[in-house]
This record gives sequence, C-alpha cells and structure tokens, in this order.
Amino acid sequence: QVQLVESGGGVVQPGRSLRLSCAASGFTFSSYGMHWVRQAPGKGLEWVAVIWYDGSNKYYADSVKGRFTISRDNSKNTLYLQMNSLRAEDTAVYYCAREGVWFGELFSYYYMDVWGKGTTVTVSS
Amino acid sequence: DIQMTQSPSSLSASVGDRVTITCRASQSISSYLNWYQQKPGKAPKLLIYAASSLQSGVPSRFSGSGSGTDFTLTISSLQPEDFATYYCQQSYSTPPTFGPGTKVDIK
Repeated sequence: QVQLVESGGGVVQPGRSLRLSCAASGFTFSSYGMHWVRQAPGKGLEWVAVIWYDGSNKYYADSVKGRFTISRDNSKNTLYLQMNSLRAEDTAVYYCAREGVWFGELFSYYYMDVWGKGTTVTVSS
Repeated sequence: DIQMTQSPSSLSASVGDRVTITCRASQSISSYLNWYQQKPGKAPKLLIYAASSLQSGVPSRFSGSGSGTDFTLTISSLQPEDFATYYCQQSYSTPPTFGPGTKVDIK
C-alpha cells in the first residue's frame, strides 16, 4: 500500500543539526513532488519545504530558509530534510507528504494526499 | 504570502448535526483550496481538493464549495468519527498556507 515513514527525529540542543528521512513505498516516488510540513505542540500545520519530483526545484518557508535543506534520492525512494542551526521554535512533529495533482479542464490543482505518521523533533538544552 | 482564516475556531455539535466551517483567503485563490481532517496524535487526512472535489474514500457527507476568497466545508450529518480538527490550505501560490484550524467536538 501507499506509505510514507518518517525517521530521524529526537532531542537536540539549540544550534545543532538533525537529518530527517522519509521512506516512500507503494507508489512511483520519482513521479511526485514531496513536502515537509510541521506542527508545533498544540499548534496548527506549518508548511516547511517542497521539492519537485526530479529535485530540480526546491522552495522553503521563510522561517527555515538558509537553515534547512530538502533533498531526495529517487534511487532509494527517500526524502530528506537536513536541519541546521536548530532553534527552540523548530520543536514540532515533522510530517512528509506527497503532492498529488488533479488535471482540471483548464488548470492543474495540487494537494497533499498521502502523509506519514510524523517524527518528533525537540530542540532543547 | 496568502493568509488563510477559518471560522469558527471551534464548535460543539451533536451526532447527526449539519456542520459548516468557513475558510477565507486574503486574496483570490480561484478554486485552489484543500481541506484536511486531523485527529489527535494522527497525521492530517485529505478530504477535499480543488475546493469541491471529494478525495477517494472520503464519505459523501463531506462536501466543499466556494471560489475566489470564500470557501465552505460542510458535514451533512456529523458522525462520531468526525470529531476532529479541520484545516483549509491554499495551493494557489508558494508558500502553501494553512488556516489555523477548526476544532469540532462533542456537545
């Protein structure tokens, strides 16, 4: 079945680094854009980054730009999020999500149709 | 960035009630609006995409409408498993942005 499984979360001190992984299965990973979305404790959803299906384009939220790097290895069906210079405000559950697309009559519509269960990152001294 | 707002922020309802949640964008986003359901401790689940298209496997009691800046998610007859938080999200431009959520709980 279609599945995304995140890993790599944990407790890390401010200023340190962490790399998250998201293993995909059950679909052709190399055909889909992929997102990272996070949720701070008790808060709403915050988009973090997106990478195109072939890795050719990447976009980031202003809150992580310059500190986080999204990447993918299509030969391993795996998405990554390298997080550097971590701050307390980066504490959250991090989800990876697949970007689905529906081709309407005139336009294409994008959404996040498959989500992993999330991995927890806690930044604390 | 496009700002998304939702109302109400929370509501209490009974099984069988008709529930309506509103989402508003800070500028026109045509029909580039998605709805998600999230239960405590779980990942979000896509319900509606392109403002009114029902995701495969989602019960037909869920429906979406609207275009431009104003959108609505309707649950025609609330079921016990529908108690959750609902988020709208625009996919008109990058960064994609989510609304703050609407928590639906039991009256």
